[in-house]
Amino acid sequence: DAGVIQSPRHEVTEMGQEVTLRCKPISGHDYLFWYRQTMMRGLELLIYFNNNVPIDDSGMPEDRFSAKMPNASFSTLKIQPSEPRDSAVYFCASSWTGQNTGELFFGEGSRLTVL
Amino acid sequence: RKEVEQDPGPFNVPEGATVAFNCTYSNSASQSFFWYRQDCRKEPKLLMSVYSSGNEDGRFTAQLNRASQYISLLIRDSKLSDSATYLCVVTDTDKLIFGTGTRLQVFP
Repeated sequence: DAGVIQSPRHEVTEMGQEVTLRCKPISGHDYLFWYRQTMMRGLELLIYFNNNVPIDDSGMPEDRFSAKMPNASFSTLKIQPSEPRDSAVYFCASSWTGQNTGELFFGEGSRLTVL
Repeated sequence: RKEVEQDPGPFNVPEGATVAFNCTYSNSASQSFFWYRQDCRKEPKLLMSVYSSGNEDGRFTAQLNRASQYISLLIRDSKLSDSATYLCVVTDTDKLIFGTGTRLQVFP
């Protein structure tokens, strides 16, 4: 069975450029989450969707970040313009239920480096 | 104070050793607790849930102390394959809050 699929796996870009990260959740999962992981701050929830609707985006650092989920099988996280402090691993995760059951299925992550 | 705090380690232990990790959380209203495992440069995966009465899964035992707001994970008879980062996770209303993880390195 296919898990959560993320692309690109690695991205190196220059400050000021637009970055788009993509995610395909597991089929049938109603919830989709975007996390960011750094050594200093660990895993941070950026935003999550339920049935394609954004429920909580309070973790989105600032207006440079935006996320969309146009349908049940696709989501994007966009950073425009990117800055060096955005360098991190961005994980997408999906689940059948909300987070309280704890079982999130993560993609392999997109490692972003902004120079 | 961080919502979930863990000793970052690393914990370096020989094969066969028993090792324990602790985690403290700040929100007394948290209802659900979990341990995730993350291998180097890989994604996190659910290891086990933590129940109030404590629970065991093979060599792994998880315990919860609500009064002191801490969670523990005990690994018995450590294997080389247990080398990973262990993330303590608690719920905060409808969100999962991850600790920064404790790194375990098991050596031969």
